[in-house]
Amino acid sequence: NAGVTQTPKFQVLKTGQSMTLQCAQDMNHEYMSWYRQDPGMGLRLIHYSVGAGITDQGEVPNGYNVSRSTTEDFPLRLLSAAPSQTSVYFCASSYSDGRRNEQYFGPGTRLTVT
Amino acid sequence: GENVEQHPSTLSVQEGDSAVIKCTYSDSASNYFPWYKQELGKRPQLIIDIRSNVGEKKDQRIAVTLNKTAKHFSLHITETQPEDSAVYFCAASPPASKIIFGSGTRLSIRP
Repeated sequence: NAGVTQTPKFQVLKTGQSMTLQCAQDMNHEYMSWYRQDPGMGLRLIHYSVGAGITDQGEVPNGYNVSRSTTEDFPLRLLSAAPSQTSVYFCASSYSDGRRNEQYFGPGTRLTVT
Repeated sequence: GENVEQHPSTLSVQEGDSAVIKCTYSDSASNYFPWYKQELGKRPQLIIDIRSNVGEKKDQRIAVTLNKTAKHFSLHITETQPEDSAVYFCAASPPASKIIFGSGTRLSIRP
């Protein structure tokens, strides 16, 4: 299993540009999430999904869109990049059996907006 | 929604001593409390977790305690070693819902 994969690893955007961060998992996990991690700060939830076709907002959803058309993929779209979106973005997937909900994180995408 | 607060933000301990990190949560429906370790430049990884029907759980040198009445839980690391240096995150999750993380604790182990 490749686990959770993210592309690209690094990206530089100019203010106002749009792009999509890709995330895929091959563990048949129903839950997928996007987090951002700013320098010296914690992991803040952007959007999450509890299954194909179902998405919901997290703590900091503004400026980002998501969709979940398949179990495997959960892309994150930046609509109009701003310098405040400079961060490391982590995608995570998990399987909840009602007792545990262990998050498996991807390697991250480091995004810089100039 | 759920809100998780974590303290301290930085912690420095002598090698061999114990380290304690504390978290509080706001949503009484939360029933799952994991702890993640993130080494420099790497992704977070689960090190231990606890459910709300358990008060304490131990795995070798690490242990977690949970007080549901007070809505707080703690991570205890005993006999600290240099490889314990990392950022540690607590988190809380209601059933079948999103996981909210604390702001992290940077733990440094002094030789």
